[in-house]
Amino acid sequence: KQEVTQIPAALSVPEGENLVLNCSFTDSAIYNLQWFRQDPGKGLTSLLLIQSSQREQTSGRLNASLDKSSGRSTLYIAASQPGDSATYLCAVSGSARQLTFGSGTQLTVLP
Amino acid sequence: GAGVSQTPSNKVTEKGKYVELRCDPISGHTALYWYRQSLGQGPEFLIYFQGTGAADDSGLPNDRFFAVRPEGSVSTLKIQRTERGDSAVYLCASSPGGQGVNTEAFFGQGTRLTVV
Repeated sequence: KQEVTQIPAALSVPEGENLVLNCSFTDSAIYNLQWFRQDPGKGLTSLLLIQSSQREQTSGRLNASLDKSSGRSTLYIAASQPGDSATYLCAVSGSARQLTFGSGTQLTVLP
Repeated sequence: GAGVSQTPSNKVTEKGKYVELRCDPISGHTALYWYRQSLGQGPEFLIYFQGTGAADDSGLPNDRFFAVRPEGSVSTLKIQRTERGDSAVYLCASSPGGQGVNTEAFFGQGTRLTVV
């Protein structure tokens, strides 16, 4: 059974810092990995999708990497802003099509 | 529609009652998923539809939970004899992919269910 772990569970940084969020998964037979953002009381907003054949994806200040063989992904956020404060979730999909999620990293960017 | 729509956004019900939660996926998306999210946790898979059929219902916790998608678009999650432990946010997602297609999932805003 696929298990996804995200560390740290919570992170607080001053505005302007670059930061890295970590995600690991136990079964490397994945189809893709997605990073999501969730604001309090809201649904999930897709940030980046990395196909299993890709090593990274970039969108604006966000860069996600994937090392499928070691079961790891990182989400890099450059020049963090208070508006980046949210919970960040990673999820992997495999042959079963469903997404398996980590518990998330709660990020607070202090002004 | 522009995105995945879920109604109601909030539902409070008494223990033992029956509830229905509705999901309108993005138009043209053939795959539809239901997830349940408890406080402080990531979403957990409940059921996956490909078209009208439930391709995988292995995440449904027990036989009080049932979901349908009769015309391959709107889906309804039905919970019978609700229990306080059913309180959670129920999320719906859709994606354009069919079998063998590796595509991005888009989520609705969720329905917050509270059983009192």
